Amino acid sequence: QVQLVQSGSELKKPGASVKVSCKASGYTFTSYAMNWVRQAPGQGLEWMGWINTNTGNPTYAQGFTGRFVFSLDTSVSTAYLQISSLKAEDTAVYYCARGSSNFDYWGQGTLVTVSS
Amino acid sequence: SSELTQDPAVSVALGQTVRITCQGDSLRSYYASWYQQKPGQAPVLVIYGKNNRPSGIPDRFSGSSSGNTASLTITGAQAEDEADYYCNSRDSSGNHLFGGGTKLTVL
Repeated sequence: QVQLVQSGSELKKPGASVKVSCKASGYTFTSYAMNWVRQAPGQGLEWMGWINTNTGNPTYAQGFTGRFVFSLDTSVSTAYLQISSLKAEDTAVYYCARGSSNFDYWGQGTLVTVSS
Repeated sequence: SSELTQDPAVSVALGQTVRITCQGDSLRSYYASWYQQKPGQAPVLVIYGKNNRPSGIPDRFSGSSSGNTASLTITGAQAEDEADYYCNSRDSSGNHLFGGGTKLTVL
């Protein structure tokens, strides 16, 4: 069965970096795009962008350029989200989600807390 | 505009029918998909395309679209349908965007 398993919660200080992983199983990793979605505490879903799992080419939504980097390791069917120069407002749950036209499978979410 | 607008909250009596709507210019060109999210859980896809349900989604969930408005209808709402519902579509650049979400209360 298809599964997306994300790495565990992170507590980081402002200015630090974090790397969230999303390991896929149960399907051919390079056959589906991978998206990243942010959900701040008590807020709605925000699409951050996606990465082409064939070419590794990322596309970032407005507001997610510069400090946010999507990457892959296809040898282990894993997508990564790295956020640098963390700010308090980056505190959120980050989800990976499979798909192009719609998102049919989601990871369980990774809570990133930024606090001094 | 590149926004999707949803009512913040909707309520429905147990067993009745409820429609949750999503408005946006992009819906004239792209179908919406709909996601259910319960507290502390990841979103779940419930409707995609013209009116398609993923495996395991009850047939009381249906979708429709007219002009700039997409709708998610739950016919015979159950207590377990109480959740936040988000629509998603694409903007003019082909990028995705989510609506602000609708909190459904089943009375």
